[in-house]
Amino acid sequence: DVKVTQSSRYLVKRTGEKVFLECVQDMDHENMFWYRQDPGLGLRLIYFSYDVKMKEKGDIPEGYSVSREKKERFSLILESASTNQTSMYLCASRPTTGKGNSPLHFGNGTRLTVT
Amino acid sequence: GDSVTQMEGPVTLSEEAFLTINCTYTATGYPSLFWYVQYPGEGLQLLLKATKADDKGSNKGFEATYRKETTSFHLEKGSVQVSDSAVYFCALSGENSGYSTLTFGKGTMLLVSP
Repeated sequence: DVKVTQSSRYLVKRTGEKVFLECVQDMDHENMFWYRQDPGLGLRLIYFSYDVKMKEKGDIPEGYSVSREKKERFSLILESASTNQTSMYLCASRPTTGKGNSPLHFGNGTRLTVT
Repeated sequence: GDSVTQMEGPVTLSEEAFLTINCTYTATGYPSLFWYVQYPGEGLQLLLKATKADDKGSNKGFEATYRKETTSFHLEKGSVQVSDSAVYFCALSGENSGYSTLTFGKGTMLLVSP
């Protein structure tokens, strides 16, 4: 089974702190994704990466950056945390296939609270 | 662009009732379709999928049939249990978009009472 592991289940940070959310997958997937999930807004894509050192902006990249130095690891960085970044963050991975029929595999999420 | 519309919740049922959660989509060509389930405090898990028209995906008593003519992928279960209480997401992957993200609906919460 594919395993996507997010380093923290719960995180509490102060406004202005630099925050790192880490995600590791063990199935050699090319593509990795970061989402945030908020009540009433569903899942929103922040950034994704289709290869090492490659990144693409999603729908809501403002206030975030990412890093992918190794294929298995994809980090989300909040340069200066703000209270409106309090949310559930979900990491996912997916292999590249020609027909788009492979599913996303999700981690268990990190619930971040910024005070 | 691609989009997924699913019924708003919460859907409230008694144990052993029949479940339908509606999902319709807009996409060009022949997308792949997925249902995910999210239990409280957890990430999303793949429940079932269908990759071509008239395919039926099934898992854990849940079923959904890919209907190209009505652009729908409704989720059904004949007899729900309390343990099925969760949020259900319908999603699609565009044809030939194997490296990009899925398009998700906003989710439907299911609450099953004993």
